[in-house]
Amino acid sequence: SQKIEQNSEALNIQEGKTATLTCNYTNYSPAYLQWYRQDPGRGPVFLLLIRENEKEKRKERLKVTFDTTLKQSLFHITASQPADSATYLCALNTGGFKTIFGAGTRLFVKA
Amino acid sequence: DVKVTQSSRYLVKRTGEKVFLECVQDMDHENMFWYRQDPGLGLRLIYFSYDVKMKEKGDIPEGYSVSREKKERFSLILESASTNQTSMYLCASRVGGGADTEAFFGQGTRLTVV
Repeated sequence: SQKIEQNSEALNIQEGKTATLTCNYTNYSPAYLQWYRQDPGRGPVFLLLIRENEKEKRKERLKVTFDTTLKQSLFHITASQPADSATYLCALNTGGFKTIFGAGTRLFVKA
Repeated sequence: DVKVTQSSRYLVKRTGEKVFLECVQDMDHENMFWYRQDPGLGLRLIYFSYDVKMKEKGDIPEGYSVSREKKERFSLILESASTNQTSMYLCASRVGGGADTEAFFGQGTRLTVV
């Protein structure tokens, strides 16, 4: 079955640095991949969607890449701020209605 | 501003009770979903619905049922609550059509079964 792997270890970085989070998947070739942000005790909030024919997508300080050969997506936050501290989830639409989510990577940005 | 509202933030129920979790969306979305979220496991799909009165099983439907009598409301039912159903439950909605649309989530219901 489809698996999504995100680094389960928390990522700690200094304010102003670039945070890079990884999402790897197996057994499927998704047409789309999404990234969500989740704060403690809250539901996930959509950030970005990238299609299989797009190598890179940007939105303000966020950048997502999608390498269908490596079956990997990278999520970058440039000039990170303490307010960026949250859990970031990778999600794949597996066709039709279903979306599957990774377990997420927790990011801590220190001032 | 789009909204998905879950009826409770926190619930404590006893083993064997029938539990209802309610979700309402105000975006006229066709698709609605129920997930549970457990540490290290991510969000797992329980059930989804693509239209009124229509429902499909997700990956972990055992012990749950759902109801969608109106487009804006999707209910998750735990027929006989058990301690292994203690979890965070998240409702989401999405516009119909293609799969390349974002999901909007409610704030979550943290259910504890004792």
